[in-house]
Amino acid sequence: QLQLQESGPGLVKPSETLSLTCTVSGGSISRSSYYWGWIRQPPGKGLDWIGNIYYSGSTYYNPSLKSRVTISVDTSKNQFSLKLSSVTAADTAVYYCARLYYYDNSAYKYYFDYWGQGTLVTVSS
Amino acid sequence: QSALTQPPSASGSPGQSVTISCTGTSSDVGGYNYVSWYQQHPGKAPKLIIYEVSKWPSGVPDRFSGSKSGNTASLTVSGLQAEDEADYYCSSYAGSNNLVFGTGTKVTVL
Repeated sequence: QLQLQESGPGLVKPSETLSLTCTVSGGSISRSSYYWGWIRQPPGKGLDWIGNIYYSGSTYYNPSLKSRVTISVDTSKNQFSLKLSSVTAADTAVYYCARLYYYDNSAYKYYFDYWGQGTLVTVSS
Repeated sequence: QSALTQPPSASGSPGQSVTISCTGTSSDVGGYNYVSWYQQHPGKAPKLIIYEVSKWPSGVPDRFSGSKSGNTASLTVSGLQAEDEADYYCSSYAGSNNLVFGTGTKVTVL
């Protein structure tokens, strides 16, 4: 059974960079049908797509966050990571990593089928 | 890209049906059949319940059904059960490898 686990600091100071890692177990991050994504959810609010990465390193970001976001992948460790720079209190949220089913049998898919449990990151001095 | 619009809340008694709408534009919901729905219980990660507008992942009961007309997708929960009380989010492909989520709907089982 595929499992995803987020890890990283739970507290980040304003103007600094938020860094999280997602470790994938029970399956390879290098499978061709999937992207790997980050989604966040501010307390009491809805889901917000941050971006996706393919095992080759190809990335797609939410246009509203693109200037501050970097997603990278380490296939040797079966991990992918998120960096969000110049954070403010508005970036306080539960951050989820998830697998995006992207393409299979000549058809596109575009849905998140496996999610991590999420990790709360608070931006505060 | 703007969040897809969902009603903040919906409710029904056990055994009844409730339908949640998800309104977007021709650039997202109306332009592609890549609408998915997620159920989220408090403190838990979202769970996929519908993909590609109306398909079920393995293990999801067929009490959950999805449809789409124009720029609006809908999720219907039939035969409401206590465990269906949760937040529900739609999501759609929005072109150029972008994705957008809905604003979320809290379903209450009366």
